[in-house]
Amino acid sequence: KNQVEQSPQSLIILEGKNCTLQCNYTVSPFSNLRWYKQDTGRGPVSLTIMTFSENTKSNGRYTATLDADTKQSSLHITASQLSDSASYICVVSAKAAGNKLTFGGGTRVLVKP
Amino acid sequence: NAGVTQTPKFRVLKTGQSMTLLCAQDMNHEYMYWYRQDPGMGLRLIHYSVGEGTTAKGEVPDGYNVSRLKKQNFLLGLESAAPSQTSVYFCASSIAGGLNPNTGELFFGEGSRLTVL
Repeated sequence: KNQVEQSPQSLIILEGKNCTLQCNYTVSPFSNLRWYKQDTGRGPVSLTIMTFSENTKSNGRYTATLDADTKQSSLHITASQLSDSASYICVVSAKAAGNKLTFGGGTRVLVKP
Repeated sequence: NAGVTQTPKFRVLKTGQSMTLLCAQDMNHEYMYWYRQDPGMGLRLIHYSVGEGTTAKGEVPDGYNVSRLKKQNFLLGLESAAPSQTSVYFCASSIAGGLNPNTGELFFGEGSRLTVL
């Protein structure tokens, strides 16, 4: 069964500090991996999309890494800001007909001043 | 450019009542989806559509029906609401399917919070 596990479930960091979120998946055959940011009460918004051949991708202060061999991805937030407080969702796409996206449960990040 | 718009944003139903959630997108996307999001769980696909006039079942389709009569609209219906359907529902659209990272990116609406008593 395709699964996406994220850790930690939640974390609290001080403004200006860095943090790293983890995503482990068992989705096969792998097509691409995405990270979304979901603010409280809003819909998810895409941060990065990575294919098998990409192992790093940045979007401003967000940097995602992908190790397709170990089936792990991470999202690193640099110099956190209060606006980074949100849930971060890892989504993995499988090579199959139709929409075969598997969503992780998300990591809730709270940035405190 | 509104993107993906969901109505209503909030609704409270009694068990057994029916209702329809409306999703509208103005990006001319072919694919549209309905997800539900429950605490501690990842988004789960209810139904999806790969084009006007088409619908297909997702991961958790029981108790829901959908229609895509117009390309820009995707309706989610609950014929007889149950407390287990209390959730936040998200509509999303994409240019095409999830296989292509360039065209498979999902654009989500703001969500519709449904409570069934």
